[in-house]
Amino acid sequence: QKEVEQNSGPLSVPEGAIASLNCTYSDRGSQSFFWYRQYSGKSPELIMSIYSNGDKEDGRFTAQLNKASQYVSLLIRDSQPSDSATYLCAVKAGSARQLTFGSGTQLTVLP
Amino acid sequence: EADIYQTPRYLVIGTGKKITLECSQTMGHDKMYWYQQDPGMELHLIHYSYGVNSTEKGDLSSESTVSRIRTEHFPLTLESARPSHTSQYLCASTGQENQPQHFGDGTRLSIL
Repeated sequence: QKEVEQNSGPLSVPEGAIASLNCTYSDRGSQSFFWYRQYSGKSPELIMSIYSNGDKEDGRFTAQLNKASQYVSLLIRDSQPSDSATYLCAVKAGSARQLTFGSGTQLTVLP
Repeated sequence: EADIYQTPRYLVIGTGKKITLECSQTMGHDKMYWYQQDPGMELHLIHYSYGVNSTEKGDLSSESTVSRIRTEHFPLTLESARPSHTSQYLCASTGQENQPQHFGDGTRLSIL
């Protein structure tokens, strides 16, 4: 089992819909969770950080963390074609000194 | 906005050449990282550093080497480039391990 797993994708949603991206992790001691967006050929860009159980909202983005179930999700409301990218989940496991990245979910928002 | 810079952005070079990819950050971050990523594929950590004179190999074995003589500078070197080294190389830094890493724009390396 990989330490950080994301829904395999690719995921397609129509413009204006809610895109839901999921990530599970194996280390119960994980403390810090991040979502990055990566456009094709570009470097990852941080869009959300979350450290506590519950929801964290920033504009059209909402991160949800459930440590008991060991998952973190990212919701994108009112999806736009410009949201089309690969979304990377990254986790700081309790004992690790680096982030562990998931393999990414490719999202396409159809006009 | 994170201030982390990588040069060159693109490099096309012949087999056997020595290459140094530069990475600098102006945030005073102790922790710096090098990742390798092929198109459409996962990020792989190849080197990291927790401070001056501290370097470690990452999860993916790499023929490259790194040095950390100054806090702000973390160059990656390939002594003799081969076509198998063709990839995108991404540098990142953070001030604290539980904080997000910030990435440079990357270097896209092509070895002919």
